[in-house]
Amino acid sequence: NAGVTQTPKFQVLKTGQSMTLQCAQDMNHEYMSWYRQDPGMGLRLIHYSVGAGITDQGEVPNGYNVSRSTTEDFPLRLLSAAPSQTSVYFCASRLTRRATNEKLFFGSGTQLSVL
Amino acid sequence: LAKTTQPISMDSYEGQEVNITCSHNNIATNDYITWYQQFPSQGPRFIIQGYKTKVTNEVASLFIPADRKSSTLSLPRVSLSDTAVYYCLVGDWSSGSARQLTFGSGTQLTVLP
Repeated sequence: NAGVTQTPKFQVLKTGQSMTLQCAQDMNHEYMSWYRQDPGMGLRLIHYSVGAGITDQGEVPNGYNVSRSTTEDFPLRLLSAAPSQTSVYFCASRLTRRATNEKLFFGSGTQLSVL
Repeated sequence: LAKTTQPISMDSYEGQEVNITCSHNNIATNDYITWYQQFPSQGPRFIIQGYKTKVTNEVASLFIPADRKSSTLSLPRVSLSDTAVYYCLVGDWSSGSARQLTFGSGTQLTVLP
Protein backbone atom coordinates (compact mmCIF):
# COMPACT_ATOMS: atom_id res chain seq x y z
CA ASN A 1 0.00 0.00 0.00
CA ALA A 2 1.29 3.43 -0.96
CA GLY A 3 -1.38 5.16 1.14
CA VAL A 4 -2.29 8.66 -0.03
CA THR A 5 -0.16 9.95 -2.89
CA GLN A 6 -0.06 13.59 -3.91
CA THR A 7 1.56 15.06 -6.99
CA PRO A 8 3.35 17.32 -7.62
CA LYS A 9 5.28 18.05 -4.43
CA PHE A 10 6.12 21.58 -5.52
CA GLN A 11 4.54 23.91 -8.06
CA VAL A 12 4.99 27.55 -9.06
CA LEU A 13 2.23 29.27 -11.01
CA LYS A 14 1.66 32.70 -12.41
CA THR A 15 -1.50 34.57 -11.53
CA GLY A 16 -4.32 33.45 -13.80
CA GLN A 17 -2.86 30.07 -14.69
CA SER A 18 -4.76 26.89 -14.08
CA MET A 19 -3.57 23.59 -12.72
CA THR A 20 -4.70 20.37 -11.10
CA LEU A 21 -3.32 18.90 -7.92
CA GLN A 22 -3.54 15.14 -7.99
CA CYS A 23 -4.48 12.88 -5.10
CA ALA A 24 -4.77 9.11 -5.21
CA GLN A 25 -5.31 6.50 -2.51
CA ASP A 26 -5.03 2.74 -2.79
CA MET A 27 -6.84 1.82 0.42
CA ASN A 28 -10.35 1.72 -1.07
CA HIS A 29 -11.35 4.63 1.14
CA GLU A 30 -14.82 6.03 0.70
CA TYR A 31 -14.05 9.49 2.03
CA MET A 32 -11.47 11.89 0.57
CA SER A 33 -10.77 15.55 1.27
CA TRP A 34 -8.52 18.50 0.51
CA TYR A 35 -7.07 20.89 3.10
CA ARG A 36 -4.91 23.95 2.80
CA GLN A 37 -2.42 25.01 5.43
CA ASP A 38 -1.09 28.55 5.69
CA PRO A 39 1.81 29.65 7.93
CA GLY A 40 0.79 29.81 11.57
CA MET A 41 -2.64 28.44 10.85
CA GLY A 42 -4.23 25.06 11.14
CA LEU A 43 -5.66 23.03 8.32
CA ARG A 44 -8.74 24.38 6.62
CA LEU A 45 -11.06 22.12 4.69
CA ILE A 46 -11.56 23.05 1.03
CA HIS A 47 -13.71 20.28 -0.45
CA TYR A 48 -14.52 16.71 0.41
CA SER A 49 -16.11 13.65 -1.14
CA VAL A 50 -17.99 10.80 0.49
CA GLY A 51 -17.86 8.56 -2.54
CA ALA A 52 -17.51 8.48 -6.31
CA GLY A 53 -19.71 11.10 -7.90
CA ILE A 54 -20.40 12.91 -4.59
CA THR A 55 -18.59 16.08 -3.49
CA ASP A 56 -19.32 18.92 -1.11
CA GLN A 57 -17.81 22.19 0.03
CA GLY A 58 -15.74 22.73 3.14
CA GLU A 59 -14.76 25.93 4.92
CA VAL A 60 -12.84 27.62 2.10
CA PRO A 61 -14.11 26.32 -1.28
CA ASN A 62 -13.91 29.52 -3.35
CA GLY A 63 -11.47 29.32 -6.26
CA TYR A 64 -11.29 25.51 -6.22
CA ASN A 65 -13.16 22.78 -8.06
CA VAL A 66 -13.18 19.04 -7.42
CA SER A 67 -14.65 15.92 -8.93
CA ARG A 68 -14.65 12.26 -7.92
CA SER A 69 -15.06 9.95 -10.89
CA THR A 70 -13.37 6.97 -9.23
CA THR A 71 -12.92 5.77 -5.66
CA GLU A 72 -9.14 6.15 -5.93
CA ASP A 73 -8.73 9.68 -7.29
CA PHE A 74 -9.77 13.11 -6.04
CA PRO A 75 -8.14 15.92 -8.04
CA LEU A 76 -8.24 19.57 -6.95
CA ARG A 77 -8.46 22.16 -9.72
CA LEU A 78 -7.45 25.78 -9.59
CA LEU A 79 -9.10 27.41 -12.60
CA SER A 80 -7.43 30.84 -12.30
CA ALA A 81 -4.70 30.91 -9.68
CA ALA A 82 -4.39 33.89 -7.35
CA PRO A 83 -1.57 34.83 -4.94
CA SER A 84 -3.98 34.17 -2.04
CA GLN A 85 -3.91 30.51 -3.03
CA THR A 86 -0.23 30.23 -2.17
CA SER A 87 -0.28 27.51 0.46
CA VAL A 88 0.52 23.91 1.28
CA TYR A 89 -2.22 21.56 0.18
CA PHE A 90 -2.94 18.23 1.82
CA CYS A 91 -5.15 15.44 0.64
CA ALA A 92 -6.61 13.10 3.25
CA SER A 93 -8.74 9.98 3.13
CA ARG A 94 -10.72 7.80 5.48
CA LEU A 95 -12.27 4.36 5.09
CA THR A 96 -15.88 5.40 5.55
CA ARG A 97 -17.68 8.66 6.04
CA ARG A 98 -19.68 7.79 9.14
CA ALA A 99 -17.73 5.58 11.51
CA THR A 100 -16.53 7.61 14.46
CA ASN A 101 -13.40 5.72 15.42
CA GLU A 102 -11.46 5.86 12.19
CA LYS A 103 -8.45 7.97 11.44
CA LEU A 104 -7.64 10.34 8.59
CA PHE A 105 -4.66 9.38 6.43
CA PHE A 106 -2.83 12.35 4.96
CA GLY A 107 -0.62 12.69 1.91
CA SER A 108 2.76 14.41 2.09
CA GLY A 109 1.48 17.68 0.69
CA THR A 110 1.91 19.98 -2.32
CA GLN A 111 3.69 23.30 -1.83
CA LEU A 112 2.05 25.78 -4.24
CA SER A 113 3.33 29.28 -4.93
CA VAL A 114 1.35 31.72 -7.05
CA LEU A 115 3.32 34.72 -8.28
CA LEU B 1 -18.99 23.60 15.30
CA ALA B 2 -16.98 22.59 18.34
CA LYS B 3 -14.24 25.23 18.31
CA THR B 4 -11.02 24.19 19.99
CA THR B 5 -8.43 26.24 21.84
CA GLN B 6 -4.89 25.05 22.44
CA PRO B 7 -1.69 26.75 23.61
CA ILE B 8 0.27 28.09 20.67
CA SER B 9 3.57 26.63 21.85
CA MET B 10 5.21 24.60 24.60
CA ASP B 11 8.80 23.74 25.43
CA SER B 12 9.98 20.64 27.25
CA TYR B 13 13.18 18.73 27.93
CA GLU B 14 14.02 15.22 26.88
CA GLY B 15 12.72 12.59 29.25
CA GLN B 16 9.95 14.72 30.70
CA GLU B 17 6.22 14.05 30.48
CA VAL B 18 4.35 16.61 28.39
CA ASN B 19 0.68 17.46 28.78
CA ILE B 20 -1.10 19.51 26.12
CA THR B 21 -4.61 20.67 26.95
CA CYS B 22 -7.33 21.45 24.45
CA SER B 23 -10.48 23.38 25.40
CA HIS B 24 -13.72 22.60 23.58
CA ASN B 25 -16.49 24.20 25.63
CA ASN B 26 -19.30 23.60 23.14
CA ILE B 27 -18.56 19.96 22.41
CA ALA B 28 -21.67 18.09 21.31
CA THR B 29 -22.96 14.78 22.60
CA ASN B 30 -21.84 12.77 19.58
CA ASP B 31 -18.44 14.45 19.17
CA TYR B 32 -15.23 12.50 19.51
CA ILE B 33 -11.86 14.02 20.39
CA THR B 34 -8.91 13.15 18.17
CA TRP B 35 -5.29 14.26 18.27
CA TYR B 36 -2.92 14.45 15.32
CA GLN B 37 0.83 15.07 15.12
CA GLN B 38 2.50 16.93 12.27
CA PHE B 39 6.21 17.10 11.49
CA PRO B 40 7.60 19.79 9.14
CA SER B 41 6.93 19.11 5.46
CA GLN B 42 4.66 16.17 6.27
CA GLY B 43 0.95 15.60 6.57
CA PRO B 44 -0.62 15.14 10.02
CA ARG B 45 -0.59 11.68 11.55
CA PHE B 46 -3.21 10.20 13.88
CA ILE B 47 -2.09 9.79 17.51
CA ILE B 48 -5.09 8.95 19.65
CA GLN B 49 -8.86 9.29 19.89
CA GLY B 50 -11.37 9.17 22.74
CA TYR B 51 -14.88 9.97 23.85
CA LYS B 52 -14.65 10.08 27.65
CA THR B 53 -12.42 9.13 30.61
CA LYS B 54 -8.99 7.85 29.64
CA VAL B 55 -7.55 6.22 26.54
CA THR B 56 -4.00 4.91 26.26
CA ASN B 57 -2.02 3.49 23.37
CA GLU B 58 1.64 2.82 22.70
CA VAL B 59 2.32 6.47 21.90
CA ALA B 60 0.22 8.61 24.25
CA SER B 61 -2.63 8.89 26.73
CA LEU B 62 -5.74 11.00 26.40
CA PHE B 63 -7.55 12.26 29.49
CA ILE B 64 -11.12 13.53 29.16
CA PRO B 65 -12.98 14.83 32.24
CA ALA B 66 -16.60 14.03 32.88
CA ASP B 67 -17.91 17.31 31.41
CA ARG B 68 -15.83 16.73 28.22
CA LYS B 69 -15.20 20.46 27.85
CA SER B 70 -11.48 19.86 27.64
CA SER B 71 -9.02 17.09 26.96
CA THR B 72 -5.36 16.53 27.72
CA LEU B 73 -2.87 14.73 25.52
CA SER B 74 -0.08 13.22 27.59
CA LEU B 75 3.23 12.21 26.01
CA PRO B 76 5.42 10.17 28.37
CA ARG B 77 9.18 10.75 28.41
CA VAL B 78 9.46 12.87 25.27
CA SER B 79 12.48 12.77 22.99
CA LEU B 80 13.82 15.25 20.43
CA SER B 81 11.87 13.40 17.74
CA ASP B 82 8.59 14.39 19.41
CA THR B 83 9.15 18.00 18.35
CA ALA B 84 6.10 18.67 16.18
CA VAL B 85 2.78 20.46 15.97
CA TYR B 86 -0.07 18.73 17.79
CA TYR B 87 -3.68 19.27 16.72
CA CYS B 88 -6.83 18.64 18.69
CA LEU B 89 -9.82 17.80 16.50
CA VAL B 90 -13.37 17.60 17.82
CA GLY B 91 -16.26 16.43 15.72
CA ASP B 92 -18.96 13.97 14.89
CA TRP B 93 -18.24 11.71 11.94
CA SER B 94 -21.54 9.90 12.31
CA SER B 95 -23.43 12.86 10.85
CA GLY B 96 -21.59 12.36 7.57
CA SER B 97 -20.79 16.08 7.38
CA ALA B 98 -17.06 16.79 7.38
CA ARG B 99 -17.80 20.48 7.76
CA GLN B 100 -18.22 19.76 11.44
CA LEU B 101 -14.59 18.72 11.71
CA THR B 102 -12.18 21.60 12.08
CA PHE B 103 -8.52 21.69 12.96
CA GLY B 104 -7.38 24.47 15.24
CA SER B 105 -4.02 26.18 14.94
CA GLY B 106 -2.28 23.46 16.89
CA THR B 107 0.40 23.48 19.57
CA GLN B 108 4.06 23.65 18.56
CA LEU B 109 5.91 21.37 20.97
CA THR B 110 9.67 21.86 21.07
CA VAL B 111 11.71 19.27 22.95
CA LEU B 112 15.08 20.54 24.10
CA PRO B 113 18.15 18.41 24.90
